[in-house]
Amino acid sequence: DAGVIQSPRHEVTEMGQEVTLRCKPISGHNSLFWYRQTMMRGLELLIYFNNNVPIDDSGMPEDRFSAKMPNASFSTLKIQPSEPRDSAVYFCASSDGQGNQPQHFGDGTRLSIL
Amino acid sequence: AQSVTQLGSHVSVSEGALVLLRCNYSSSVPPYLFWYVQYPNQGLQLLLKYTTGATLVKGINGFEAEFKKSETSFHLTKPSAHMSDAAEYFCAVKPSSGGYQKVTFGIGTKLQVIP
Repeated sequence: DAGVIQSPRHEVTEMGQEVTLRCKPISGHNSLFWYRQTMMRGLELLIYFNNNVPIDDSGMPEDRFSAKMPNASFSTLKIQPSEPRDSAVYFCASSDGQGNQPQHFGDGTRLSIL
Repeated sequence: AQSVTQLGSHVSVSEGALVLLRCNYSSSVPPYLFWYVQYPNQGLQLLLKYTTGATLVKGINGFEAEFKKSETSFHLTKPSAHMSDAAEYFCAVKPSSGGYQKVTFGIGTKLQVIP
């Protein structure tokens, strides 16, 4: 079975550019999560969707960050404009929504903002 | 409120030695507990989970963990370390009460296996 698929795997861009990260969750999973991982702050939850609806976006750093889930099989995380401090590994994860079920992670997007 | 504490951000063991990675949690309601492993340039992969029932949980790659309510601990063990176990390990807690509950991850423990 296909796991969570993220693209691109690596992204290098200049400060001020728009960055779009993409995620395809596991088919049948109704919960989707975006995380950011850095050495300093560890793994941080950015936003959580349930049935395509954003439920918890309290972790979104600021207005430069936005996330959408137009359907059950696709989500995007956009940063506009990007800044060097946004450099991190961004993970997408999905789960089937039942409380005791684990989250399944993609392999992440390593983002470098120059 | 909930929290996870992983004691030791770096742990080194010799190949063939016991692996013990510590995790303590705090949670206002009975928790679900998880251990994940992360290999370089990969996402987190579930090793094992505790939800209800038997407190000794067996996972993949020979790992196991024991839920000890009285000690609020969920330590991860493996009797004999293998070189392929070198990775970062994350403990995570989620309240078992209904509705949306956020998963809280520990800071991670990097395991080094010395030949």
